[in-house]
This record gives sequence, structure tokens and C-alpha cells, in this order.
Amino acid sequence: QKEVEQNSGPLSVPEGAIASLNCTYSDRVSQSFFWYRQYSGKSPELIMSIYSNGDKEDGRFTAQLNKASQYVSLLIRDSQPSDSATYLCAVISNDMRFGAGTRLTVKP
Amino acid sequence: DAMVIQNPRYQVTQFGKPVTLSCSQTLNHNVMYWYQQKSSQAPKLLFHYYDKDFNNEADTPDNFQSRRPNTSFCFLDIRSPGLGDTAMYLCATSRDLGQGYQTQYFGPGTRLLVL
Repeated sequence: QKEVEQNSGPLSVPEGAIASLNCTYSDRVSQSFFWYRQYSGKSPELIMSIYSNGDKEDGRFTAQLNKASQYVSLLIRDSQPSDSATYLCAVISNDMRFGAGTRLTVKP
Repeated sequence: DAMVIQNPRYQVTQFGKPVTLSCSQTLNHNVMYWYQQKSSQAPKLLFHYYDKDFNNEADTPDNFQSRRPNTSFCFLDIRSPGLGDTAMYLCATSRDLGQGYQTQYFGPGTRLLVL
């Protein structure tokens, strides 16, 4: 079982819609969770971190964490074509472990 | 602006020819990391430095070495690159290792091509 799992996609949504990205992790003692955005050929860019159960909102982005179910999600409201990228979920227990990413395409 | 810088951005080397990638940071962070990312795969942690303490991942090949001569700089040495080492190499930093300080900030990466 992979430590951090994401649906590889591609996930395609129309402009203005809500994009929902999901991530599950295997280590129950994981404490810190991150979402990174990675454009093709570029390095990962931090979008959000979340440490406690519940929702955390930052602009058009909302991260949701459920430690009991061992999943973390990212919602992108009012999706824009510029949001088209691969979204990496990262989880820290001892070290940071990344999922392979979900490729999102926002169609105009 | 505080940042993480990697040089070179692109590197082409021949099979077996040693190569060194560099990373510098102006964030004054204690921890520096090196990742390898192959196409459509997750970044894979190779090793990290906490200050001068070196921490190697168990499955990092011996072919990969690292040096951190001071707080600001960290180098990745690939002693005898193979074709399978073609990848993006990412340097990242974090303020510390404790919860709340572990957020990692990435440099732009070095794309390495081994021919």
C-alpha cells in the first residue's frame, strides 16, 4: 500500500466550477498535511497546510482534513484555466511523503 | 526576497561523468532537502540535512552524495550518473523539523539529462 494515494486523473472541470481533489494516507500518526501545486516542468508551490481536523479556507481554496478516516482534500472554487496543474498531496509523519499527484484541467 | 535558488537549471551530462548540483537559500532555514522527481511521479526524498546532521534515506543509492558546507548552501553530487538518473532534482528548505515548522519551500529545480 502506498503511503500517500491520490487519483492520478486527469480531472477535468469547466471554468467557474468547483474542483475537488482527494488524498488518503496510511500512517495514522501523521500530523501535518500540505497541498502543493506543480505546473508542468516547474517545482512544487505551496498552496495550503492543515494540521487539525476540519476545514481551512484561503481565498478560493479550502483544505479539509479527517484524521479518523485518514483523508485530506482540496476544494478549488471558481476554477480558472490558470489552475490547470498537477496537485500534490504531502503528509508528514517522520518525513514528508508525497502522493503522485492529480492532474487538473480547467476548460474555458 | 527570501528564496531558494538552484543552479544550474538544466544540466546535460554523459553516462558515468560526475555532476554536481547546487542549492542556496536566503531563508536561514535549518533543514535542507534533496528530492528526485521523475516524469509523472511523486518527488522522492533522497536525503536531508538538519543543520550539519546528514540524514540519508535507506533506499538512496550510494551513487548520490551530499554536502552542506554552511547554512546557506547544499550540494548534490552524483558520482557516476546512469541513464535512470535523468530526472528533475528539487531542493527544499524548512525552518525546522518540529510541527508547525516543517513546511517545505522548493527551489525551481534542476533538470538533469544523462546521455
